[in-house]
Amino acid sequence: EAEVAQSPRYKITEKSQAVAFWCDPISGHATLYWYRQILGQGPELLVQFQDESVVDDSQLPKDRFSAERLKGVDSTLKIQPAELGDSAMYLCASSLRTEGTEAFFGQGTRLTVV
Amino acid sequence: AQTVTQSQPEMSVQEAETVTLSCTYDTSENNYYLFWYKQPPSRQMILVIRQEAYKQQNATENRFSVNFQKAAKSFSLKISDSQLGDTAMYFCAFMKAYFGNEKLTFGTGTRLTIIP
Repeated sequence: EAEVAQSPRYKITEKSQAVAFWCDPISGHATLYWYRQILGQGPELLVQFQDESVVDDSQLPKDRFSAERLKGVDSTLKIQPAELGDSAMYLCASSLRTEGTEAFFGQGTRLTVV
Repeated sequence: AQTVTQSQPEMSVQEAETVTLSCTYDTSENNYYLFWYKQPPSRQMILVIRQEAYKQQNATENRFSVNFQKAAKSFSLKISDSQLGDTAMYFCAFMKAYFGNEKLTFGTGTRLTIIP
């Protein structure tokens, strides 16, 4: 069964260091999402791609976060410099370009900033 | 902007019993989709059930069913004959109807524990 792949599963980094997360969506899924889930809360969208184009990054802290999806397939989310408040689960999801369709989630990357 | 509210942070129920999780939402949209997602411990989030707002009939998937009240903006999930594998965080989510997809707006979740 096809799955959304994310790596690493866990990451511990020091404050002010750079960190990167990788996501490989299900083959054929044009839409890719990055969500951040703080402990005890629901996921919140950071950035949404349609193929290689960003369609929503209104909640992405652009002074320190960046995201790219070259060639419209896999994607990388980067934080530089990391801050203590960035500790969270980072979830990647993908879906077909169809109205109201199901989003498939990866297992996430749990980031701890110390 | 849309908001989703889940007022039950935690619930527990005995195995084989029925449990209902509550969800309310606020939107000015007329066409949208509602979802319940399940997030088991240390595993990825998976879809439980989906409801189109233009459909009056409540969605059902095996032991899972919803009570969708559009006028009241309420979308509760009923789990019948609960099983140990139902133990998880459950998130209610909203999506505007838009070709090419819109984002999911999630509630804060309900932690459900099934007691043997």
